[in-house]
Amino acid sequence: AQKVTQAQTEISVVEKEDVTLDCVYETRDTTYYLFWYKQPPSGELVFLIRRNSFDEQNEISGRYSWNFQKSTSSFNFTITASQVVDSAVYFCPARTGANNLFFGTGTRLTVIP
Amino acid sequence: DAGVIQSPRHEVTEMGQEVTLRCKPISGHDYLFWYRQTMMRGLELLIYFNNNVPIDDSGMPEDRFSAKMPNASFSTLKIQPSEPRDSAVYFCASSSLADSWGGYTFGSGTRLTVV
Repeated sequence: AQKVTQAQTEISVVEKEDVTLDCVYETRDTTYYLFWYKQPPSGELVFLIRRNSFDEQNEISGRYSWNFQKSTSSFNFTITASQVVDSAVYFCPARTGANNLFFGTGTRLTVIP
Repeated sequence: DAGVIQSPRHEVTEMGQEVTLRCKPISGHDYLFWYRQTMMRGLELLIYFNNNVPIDDSGMPEDRFSAKMPNASFSTLKIQPSEPRDSAVYFCASSSLADSWGGYTFGSGTRLTVV
């Protein structure tokens, strides 16, 4: 079975704090792709990053960083020095050879000014 | 590219009426997906097409739902007759495996309200 678990339903932080969003995935496929999407209050789904199962390099993009650990089946997302504009629901879907991008329940992040 | 274009952005209809949602994928993308987002069930795949052919429609809730892709630049999702429990945001997404990143580009969604 394929599954993505985002155990944190809601997180609130004060502006400028760092925050990590957790994501754990389950799949029997050896080749898969992991993503993070942001859904701001306006409702659209905005692509943030993609990782494939063969690439365990961590990545940093400005205030955003991602930690992919195959050994623990996790793909966590950290926002450094959070800002109010980071308030959104964040999803970490996964895609396997079946081409279906399957989603977890998302984590709602609220950054308090 | 203008991205994935969905219309209408909002739709309010009465129970029992037919509703048609429209999607124009990104030019050159050979996969098209329809997702539905509700508070109870989150984001769920309804159906997807490859080269205009439906590949997996196992997520379509029931026979009231149908989807077509008559050509590479247009798809519709139809609900007939609509029911209040169909109220949700419906997203269309497109993708191309030829892209190096293999991700999906989503449209802005259609918010459907059935009263």
